[in-house]
Amino acid sequence: QVQLVQSGAEVKKPGSSVKVSCKASGGTFSNYPINWVRQAPGQGLEWMGGIIPIFDTGNYAQKFRDRVTITTDESATTVYMELSSLRSEDTAIYYCARLTSSNNNDFWNGPFDSWGQGTLVTVSS
Amino acid sequence: DIVLTQTPLSLSVTPGQPASISCKSSQSLLHSDGKTYFYWYLQRPGQPPQLLIYEVSNRFSGVPNRFSGSGSGTDFTLKISRLEAEDVGVYYCMQSILLPPTFGQGTKLQIK
Repeated sequence: QVQLVQSGAEVKKPGSSVKVSCKASGGTFSNYPINWVRQAPGQGLEWMGGIIPIFDTGNYAQKFRDRVTITTDESATTVYMELSSLRSEDTAIYYCARLTSSNNNDFWNGPFDSWGQGTLVTVSS
Repeated sequence: DIVLTQTPLSLSVTPGQPASISCKSSQSLLHSDGKTYFYWYLQRPGQPPQLLIYEVSNRFSGVPNRFSGSGSGTDFTLKISRLEAEDVGVYYCMQSILLPPTFGQGTKLQIK
């Protein structure tokens, strides 16, 4: 099973951007979507988007489409999530998670079976 | 987006007793390929979520057999046969039949 290790906590000013990394090791990386899920303090889980490294194609939640960019460095087995125009409501733990599809015709039908440890992003003036 | 509604939102159970959580979907999660893309997760305090059940009723690797999932179409249930202290946390249901993947609100399970 793949291990996902994320970059460390960040403190950012409103209006700035943050870039969080997720490095995969010990398993298959390129063929499965790597996703970003966030959790505001005391709140539930919210999917932001994901990317299939081998195709370098991403899908984004409508809510984040104009502010989030997910990229991959396949040689480094690392996926990045950049969130711009930060506001206080973006204070949250950001998780990366691998989706392992069980549908031969659709990469996006499956569970998140491996998760990173989470990265706390605090947005404060 | 598909909406998943969990009940109850909180639950307090005596160790050794059973527990049950329901999740209802706003549309069927049965795919034309015959699979139902529905899952259960447990998030222990301070930890990322971990996969418990995939495709309604299959336990993920290492998950104790006191956890079981059932249901079909739009109605699903997670049951814990005999609660242990390590089962405390927030349980989430999730679907991935359609993008975006969506989660239920979460059910907080505590020890009585």
